[in-house]
Amino acid sequence: AQSVTQPDIHITVSEGASLELRCNYSYGATPYLFWYVQSPGQGLQLLLKYFSGDTLVQGIKGFEAEFKRSQSSFNLRKPSVHWSDAAEYFCAVVPNTGNQFYFGTGTSLTVIP
Amino acid sequence: NAGVMQNPRHLVRRRGQEARLRCSPMKGHSHVYWYRQLPEEGLKFMVYLQKENIIDESGMPKERFSAEFPKEGPSILRIQQVVRGDSAAYFCASSSTGTGNTIYFGEGSWLTVV
Repeated sequence: AQSVTQPDIHITVSEGASLELRCNYSYGATPYLFWYVQSPGQGLQLLLKYFSGDTLVQGIKGFEAEFKRSQSSFNLRKPSVHWSDAAEYFCAVVPNTGNQFYFGTGTSLTVIP
Repeated sequence: NAGVMQNPRHLVRRRGQEARLRCSPMKGHSHVYWYRQLPEEGLKFMVYLQKENIIDESGMPKERFSAEFPKEGPSILRIQQVVRGDSAAYFCASSSTGTGNTIYFGEGSWLTVV
């Protein structure tokens, strides 16, 4: 079955530490890949996206993500986390034969001083 | 340059009443998507519309839920005879084209059924 998996429900990191949020998908062909961030009570903001080309993509707020075809993964990273990064992060995929976004269940990030 | 506008932001309804959620897409966007987010869960696709057409409603509950995107005016998500289980955040998103294009989200409408 087609799916998007974010294996980490909740992650806690110290401010200034590095961060990696995992995302795996299972689709027949390479889909379009996205990361969104949601602050409490707010909508979703696009962090970055991958359609094709360079497998390392840069996004806003210092985030980057790397597409690894062999692992069907699109992990989100940030070298140094800021307290304002505390939020819910969603990975999403769009099969390249369709137009519907499929979201993972999200990873909640807590940043401690 | 307004983004996706949703209203109301918060809505309280008693069981059995109707809820209407409105979504105005970004300027120039003709594709609208509705998603539902239940507490502690991710976003679940409900329906995808273009002007005057429902393209994909595979995520819509079979009863009580309907959506439209008329030629003029906002897209409407309508929930009839609401039940407590309908309490959720409903997000609208829009895009300029369909396949593979980025979708931009509104800030959501929080429905509480009491």
